[in-house]
Amino acid sequence: EAQVTQNPRYLITVTGKKLTVTCSQNMNHEYMSWYRQDPGLGLRQIYYSMNVEVTDKGDVPEGYKVSRKEKRNFPLILESPSPNQTSLYFCASSRAILLQGGGTEAFFGQGTRLTVV
Amino acid sequence: AQKITQTQPGMFVQEKEAVTLDCTYDTSDQSYGLFWYKQPSSGEMIFLIYQGSYDEQNATEGRYSLNFQKARKSANLVISASQLGDSAMYFCAMREDILTGGGNKLTFGTGTQLKVEL
Repeated sequence: EAQVTQNPRYLITVTGKKLTVTCSQNMNHEYMSWYRQDPGLGLRQIYYSMNVEVTDKGDVPEGYKVSRKEKRNFPLILESPSPNQTSLYFCASSRAILLQGGGTEAFFGQGTRLTVV
Repeated sequence: AQKITQTQPGMFVQEKEAVTLDCTYDTSDQSYGLFWYKQPSSGEMIFLIYQGSYDEQNATEGRYSLNFQKARKSANLVISASQLGDSAMYFCAMREDILTGGGNKLTFGTGTQLKVEL
């Protein structure tokens, strides 16, 4: 089954304690992204990767790190979490090129609800 | 910069009726894709429908159709014969530069919360 798997689903942590949210996809997609969802703001891109070892900042990258050592994995790292990073996080993957008729929608993980106290 | 606007924070519809969720977008790109996603209360993001900027016909997927008006830069989602299970948050999103693969980011609107009533 084609899927994007995020772990953990729920996480409560304390300010300053480093954490990693894992993301893995089994569709051999080139593109992977991290988004955060906040009420009234929709989803905003944090970081993205166009392929292995190629990553770049999205709209809200401050306080986050990512790596893409393998095509299937794209972990999100919070080196020193703060309460303003309390949010719902999504990992997504998609094919690179949009073909006629579609077929490159982004597939999303189940989401990680993070609370930083 | 690309922008998606969803002006309806909340909508109500009677079961079995049709409902239109509005979406307007702003882009200077010529090749782009428009997407609608559904987010039920459980939180996952479910892809519903896609429309490419070069597609001449409006997209349809079962009870979902996309009313694409390129000149007006609108991409409204129409749900026919609403069901209780359609109650969810709906997001419109856009991806630019689709033909060369240079665009990766999905830009999302703020969403419309749809409630289907008996």
